Amino acid sequence: EDQVTQSPEALRLQEGESSSLNCSYTVSGLRGLFWYRQDPGKGPEFLFTLYSAGEEKEKERLKATLTKKESFLHITAPKPEDSATYLCAVPNDYKLSFGAGTTVTVRA
Amino acid sequence: DTAVSQTPKYLVTQMGNDKSIKCEQNLGHDTMYWYKQDSKKFLKIMFSYNNKELIINETVPNRFSPKSPDKAHLNLHINSLELGDSAVYFCASSQPGGDSPQHFGDGTRLSIL
Repeated sequence: EDQVTQSPEALRLQEGESSSLNCSYTVSGLRGLFWYRQDPGKGPEFLFTLYSAGEEKEKERLKATLTKKESFLHITAPKPEDSATYLCAVPNDYKLSFGAGTTVTVRA
Repeated sequence: DTAVSQTPKYLVTQMGNDKSIKCEQNLGHDTMYWYKQDSKKFLKIMFSYNNKELIINETVPNRFSPKSPDKAHLNLHINSLELGDSAVYFCASSQPGGDSPQHFGDGTRLSIL
């Protein structure tokens, strides 16, 4: 069965303090890895898809990278509006297996 | 325009009651899903439908019965509600193929008294 583990569980950052979130996975055959952002009281919002090792995607202050065993979400010079829970997930035949998420809090 | 919409947003009810949650998507997707997010915020698949046909039933009690009247709608009916059913239920949709990104609604928070 696919397994997805995220670390750390929680991350408290000062505005402008860059950091990285980790998502490690164990799957029988990687068919992609998704990153989502979830705000309180909202559904997960799709951010990125990564398909192969070495691939990188960027959106504003976020950059996602992928290796054969893990993915990183780098947050560069974060702002308070980047505060959210970040989830990674792997697809497998009509379902997503999610990690437990990393809750990021950015203080002004 | 809301892409995936769920109603109601909040549902508070007594143990033993029967309730339904409705979901509609206007993205033109063929595949729809129900997920459950528990108190620890962990998201777990319950059901997947493709072209109105059930693809996945992830060992969900048969008190939960999904129904897809057409490709744009997937409703969830729950019989004989139990305390352990308290959670946030999310509907999602995607392009067919099983490996496409899924787009989520904002959830229905179900509280059992």
